[in-house]
Amino acid sequence: AQSVSQHNHHVILSEAASLELGCNYSYGGTVNLFWYVQYPGQHLQLLLKYFSGDPLVKGIKGFEAEFIKSKFSFNLRKPSVQWSDTAEYFCAVRSNTGKLIFGQGTTLQVKP
Amino acid sequence: NAGVTQTPKFRVLKTGQSMTLLCAQDMNHEYMYWYRQDPGMGLRLIHYSVGEGTTAKGEVPDGYNVSRLKKQNFLLGLESAAPSQTSVYFCASSQAGRLGYNEQFFGPGTRLTVL
Repeated sequence: AQSVSQHNHHVILSEAASLELGCNYSYGGTVNLFWYVQYPGQHLQLLLKYFSGDPLVKGIKGFEAEFIKSKFSFNLRKPSVQWSDTAEYFCAVRSNTGKLIFGQGTTLQVKP
Repeated sequence: NAGVTQTPKFRVLKTGQSMTLLCAQDMNHEYMYWYRQDPGMGLRLIHYSVGEGTTAKGEVPDGYNVSRLKKQNFLLGLESAAPSQTSVYFCASSQAGRLGYNEQFFGPGTRLTVL
């Protein structure tokens, strides 16, 4: 069965620090990958997605993610985080049955 | 344009009670989904619908039923609530197309506690 693993469950950073959140998936076929963000008290929003083409994907709010097929990874990055980036981040993969499979989530806390 | 709305926002039930969660979307989306979010487990798909009058099971359907009588509404029912169903429930919708291909838009969630 396909699965998504997010290794960092809770990350604490100071403002201006660089961010990298890990995401690995377990499917060898064609994959569609997503990162969603959930700000405190709000619903999930799409940050970015990868379907094909350039493996470096740019999203909203300065986030980007790199698809590395050989490593089955789709890590999320941001060069300089802000306090407003405090949120929970979910990686997801579209399964071969078409449905989204989500990772466990990573809680990011940015200290001002 | 409200997007995806859910009612109620919070609910406390006793074991064995029943309730229905309502999801409504005003984006004319064909597909709708119900997820539950539990700590350390991410979001798991309960049921989904690819059109009015059709529903299908997701990853964790047991103990839940759904109905899609109108395109804009997707109801999630708990016939006999159990403490294991304590969770945050999210509804989502997306345009038609290859399932999962289009961005899913999420509602604000319903926090359910079953005592």
